[in-house]
Amino acid sequence: ETGVTQTPRHLVMGMTNKKSLKCEQHLGHNAMYWYKQSAKKPLELMFVYNFKEQTENNSVPSRFSPECPNSSHLFLHLHTLQPEDSALYLCASSHDDGSYEQYFGPGTRLTVT
Amino acid sequence: RKEVEQDPGPFNVPEGATVAFNCTYSNSASQSFFWYRQDCRKEPKLLMSVYSSGNEDGRFTAQLNRASQYISLLIRDSKLSDSATYLCVVNAGGFKTIFGAGTRLFVKA
Repeated sequence: ETGVTQTPRHLVMGMTNKKSLKCEQHLGHNAMYWYKQSAKKPLELMFVYNFKEQTENNSVPSRFSPECPNSSHLFLHLHTLQPEDSALYLCASSHDDGSYEQYFGPGTRLTVT
Repeated sequence: RKEVEQDPGPFNVPEGATVAFNCTYSNSASQSFFWYRQDCRKEPKLLMSVYSSGNEDGRFTAQLNRASQYISLLIRDSKLSDSATYLCVVNAGGFKTIFGAGTRLFVKA
């Protein structure tokens, strides 16, 4: 596979469930990002990892827990979410050479019931 | 004031028209600037980076005015396939990336 992949593409979960989103990049990048895109709102940066180290945490609630085991994989663990957390969750990756050109995966459309 | 502000649109233009989008940013220390396009229910895709000297890629021209903290995107000879939302993106330092809300473009036959 090439580019940035995300699974699952769609997810419906109850507020008491625990689920995980997965992202994988095949571009040789060192930085990976999680974004949230809600209807009619700009993309919101959630977390950034560079070489597996978290470099940005944009005041995200603790019910979202990221994990980056290596430079190619990124997870977002979800638990006790709220209906307002329903959104498109996008993963991106980039080099860490100062260019910051990001390439996005197709996203996971999450619905919390 | 929003960190990145764009014309909300929508812009409705005929095929072949020239259309320009503007974007302003608030952080004068910002170093990197980009335009992305996002089609309906799809992920954003990098259109072009914006360099201090301005840059052109086919029908697309991007310009940066650091003094006015202003970025622009010009699309010449619009095609139906250019219909999308155009996102202005600013790197605010390190990996912190701020997206504008986007400008919606409709190109009509």
